[in-house]
Amino acid sequence: SQQGEEDPQALSIQEGENATMNCSYKTSINNLQWYRQNSGRGLVHLILIRSNEREKHSGRLRVTLDTSKKSSSLLITASRAADTASYFCATAFPWGNNRLAFGKGNQVVVIP
Amino acid sequence: DARVTQTPRHKVTEMGQEVTMRCQPILGHNTVFWYRQTMMQGLELLAYFRNRAPLDDSGMPKDRFSAEMPDATLATLKIQPSEPRDSAVYFCASGLVAMDRDNNQPQHFGDGTRLSIL
Repeated sequence: SQQGEEDPQALSIQEGENATMNCSYKTSINNLQWYRQNSGRGLVHLILIRSNEREKHSGRLRVTLDTSKKSSSLLITASRAADTASYFCATAFPWGNNRLAFGKGNQVVVIP
Repeated sequence: DARVTQTPRHKVTEMGQEVTMRCQPILGHNTVFWYRQTMMQGLELLAYFRNRAPLDDSGMPKDRFSAEMPDATLATLKIQPSEPRDSAVYFCASGLVAMDRDNNQPQHFGDGTRLSIL
């Protein structure tokens, strides 16, 4: 089964720096989504990139998708302490019904 | 903001007891998902529904887990009998999928039920 795999697993950075996370997957996808999870809370959708898109921006977030390499990256620019969270990539199966396969997540700590 | 509501937020019980977790999806959403999150396995899909019909529950241990949607405003996940290995955080998520089978939609998660089986 396809599943997102994030790399690196844990990242610690200073406030103001950029944070980059990568995700790889194994099979064809319809889209790839990134979610954030704060401690003790549910996942929150951040951004969705379709298989025919290569780059997408949302505020301080930039997502790229390379379907030939089956990989995606999430860049958070000018990080803030409030960005401290776990970040998950999730791949959507091509056959619909909105089913997602999640990776194990990246723990990001932004030090004030 | 519309939210997915899960109850209870925390549950501690002894093994062998029945556990029922409830989820109120966002009004108007037609897909509901149940996930289990553990440190070891990450986020696992247990079951999902579309228009209240179960589409796939292959991720659930069938002998002890059951998932239902009695109506469009309530989804339940039951464990009977519960075991210590069921200890995890259980999440419900909902989404809206158009009838043309577009699956380019985000899922909206509740804050989960943290379950501890002693």
